Parts: sequence; structure tokens; C-alpha cells
Amino acid sequence: EAGVAQSPRYKIIEKRQSVAFWCNPISGHATLYWYQQILGQGPKLLIQFQNNGVVDDSQLPKDRFSAERLKGVDSTLKIQPAKLEDSAVYLCASSKNRDTGKNEQFFGPGTRLTVL
Amino acid sequence: AQTVTQSQPEMSVQEAETVTLSCTYDTSESDYYLFWYKQPPSRQMILVIRQEAYKQQNATENRFSVNFQKAAKSFSLKISDSQLGDAAMYFCAYRRVRGNSGYALNFGKGTSLLVTP
Repeated sequence: EAGVAQSPRYKIIEKRQSVAFWCNPISGHATLYWYQQILGQGPKLLIQFQNNGVVDDSQLPKDRFSAERLKGVDSTLKIQPAKLEDSAVYLCASSKNRDTGKNEQFFGPGTRLTVL
Repeated sequence: AQTVTQSQPEMSVQEAETVTLSCTYDTSESDYYLFWYKQPPSRQMILVIRQEAYKQQNATENRFSVNFQKAAKSFSLKISDSQLGDAAMYFCAYRRVRGNSGYALNFGKGTSLLVTP
């Protein structure tokens, strides 16, 4: 079974530029998460989708970050414009459904973003 | 909000020895899940072990076991017979069981484990 795929793996941009990340979850997984992991910290949830609907985006900086999950499969996360403090690893994770807390989340390899 | 605290930024263990990583958490809920995740330098986060709060028995997975103390809100990970491949960042995480919103993981800051030959 293929795992969670993410691209690109690395991205370097200058502040005020735009950037987009892509995630393809495990086939059949209804729930998709985007986490931000700043160096030296644990991952922090940005947004959670259930199929193509948003479940939780309370920690997403909506003035600059946006995310979508068209057709309930792939997802893109966009930052526009980027700030220096957005430098982090962006992790995508998926799980079969959200209905029980014990469902395992499977993580992708992440995208390392550097904002200069 | 639930807070997860890992007070050991770095730990070191010799190959074949045993090491224990500490984690405490703060919650007002009675039912929840706790996890230990491993993140090697390649950055792929991998589930190591999971504990359901309503179960008194400590979870075990081969060389990995936990000491779950619900009253003390403590959840430590014990790695026995440490191997070089165990070297990684280890994250303790909390996840609620029920609620109106999602079930995202709430992570601690992590403990970097070094395994020496």
C-alpha cells in the first residue's frame, strides 16, 4: 500500500513570495491533516479535512494560508505572501476516518520550506 | 487546551541498554488516547505505540512499552535492548476521544534520542 505522498520535498523562497504544497493521502483515507513543524518543536495542526469539508482550521493563519481538498482526495496548502516565520516543515497526514480517536494517522515525508 | 510536556530535550543510551523517555500532559477529559511517534532524520513520522486512557494495562510493542499513570498524567516510553536504528526524535502526543471538532494530535516538543555503539 502506497504511503502519503508530498511534493516538493524542499522549497526555498523569498519573503512575500507565494508557495504551494501538494499532498496525496493513502487511498481510501477520508481524513487529511496539515501540520506545521517549526525547528525544535512538535508538529502543530493547521487544518483538518473530512472528505472535502473542513473540520478544524482554528489554527490556520487565514490572512496568508489557504488549503483545499477538491474531490476529497488530493490537497494543496498555499502561503501567500510568505513571512520569515513560515520557515518550517509542512507535514501531511491521513487517517481512515475521524470518528474514533484511535485511528492511526499516517504521515508523509514533509516539505521543508525556507523563507529568506 | 491539552498541553503535552516532554522535559528531556536529549537523551543518550548505549546499544543493548534500556532508556526511558518522559512525558506529562494536562487534560480535564477522562477518556483520550496517548501516542509515541518516532521521527528519524528522514522526517517520516512513524507510530511507535498507542495507549487508550480507559485501559489500565500498559501497552507494549516488542521492545517498546509504556508506563501510563493516569492520575499523575504521566506517559513514559521505555525502549529495551536499544538498537542503532532507534536513534530519532520521539514525540509524545495526545488525542481526544470525543468532541465537536476534529481529532488532531497534540504533540510535545520531542526528545532527541542518541544511541551509541
